[in-house]
Amino acid sequence: QQQVKQSPQSLIVQKGGISIINCAYENTAFDYFPWYQQFPGKGPALLIAIRPDVSEKKEGRFTISFNKSAKQFSLHIMDSQPGDSATYFCAASIGSGTYKYIFGTGTRLKVLA
Amino acid sequence: EAGVTQSPTHLIKTRGQQATLRCSPISGHTSVYWYQQALGLGLQFLLWYDEGEERNRGNFPPRFSGRQFPNYSSELNVNALELEDSALYLCASSKWESYNEQFFGPGTRLTVL
Repeated sequence: QQQVKQSPQSLIVQKGGISIINCAYENTAFDYFPWYQQFPGKGPALLIAIRPDVSEKKEGRFTISFNKSAKQFSLHIMDSQPGDSATYFCAASIGSGTYKYIFGTGTRLKVLA
Repeated sequence: EAGVTQSPTHLIKTRGQQATLRCSPISGHTSVYWYQQALGLGLQFLLWYDEGEERNRGNFPPRFSGRQFPNYSSELNVNALELEDSALYLCASSKWESYNEQFFGPGTRLTVL
């Protein structure tokens, strides 16, 4: 019940295309869903996050879509650029007393020039 | 504003030895989290410290331990090292009131030979 399942494991997209990464969870107590971007040799950097009372959040080229009933959320990267090539992790957290993230297994994105 | 810093960058130990990893949080952040990022396994929550106390720990054996100092910096100790402890160890910090926004350091790469 604590798992967050992320897919696909890897993704290759042409420059200018849309990259879509999906995550699914079971525990309805999760109340915060961030996405992290990690470049080789670096720690993960917070990209965008959403709470379950919102169905969509957009920041620049990055959009999170959230489907509470299906217990799924996804990251859309519009107009993907070679500089977006990185590993993306979704995560979920329960605030009440635990304050820890449960991470997905990551998606390695490669955007071709 | 300086980010989360970790030292050392790389650490090589032999099986059975002890490793000590260090983390300095962002100024003003009182919570420190430790995660293990092993190859192919994503990020696994290890420990959470706040105000000098261990608040939560993940599913790791007791030989993984740590502490948080009065200046909120933290140490992760791994005793009786095993080969499978080889991983990137990431530290993150947050303000207590915004625990969901965790900012990660660059990590310490631990190699156990």
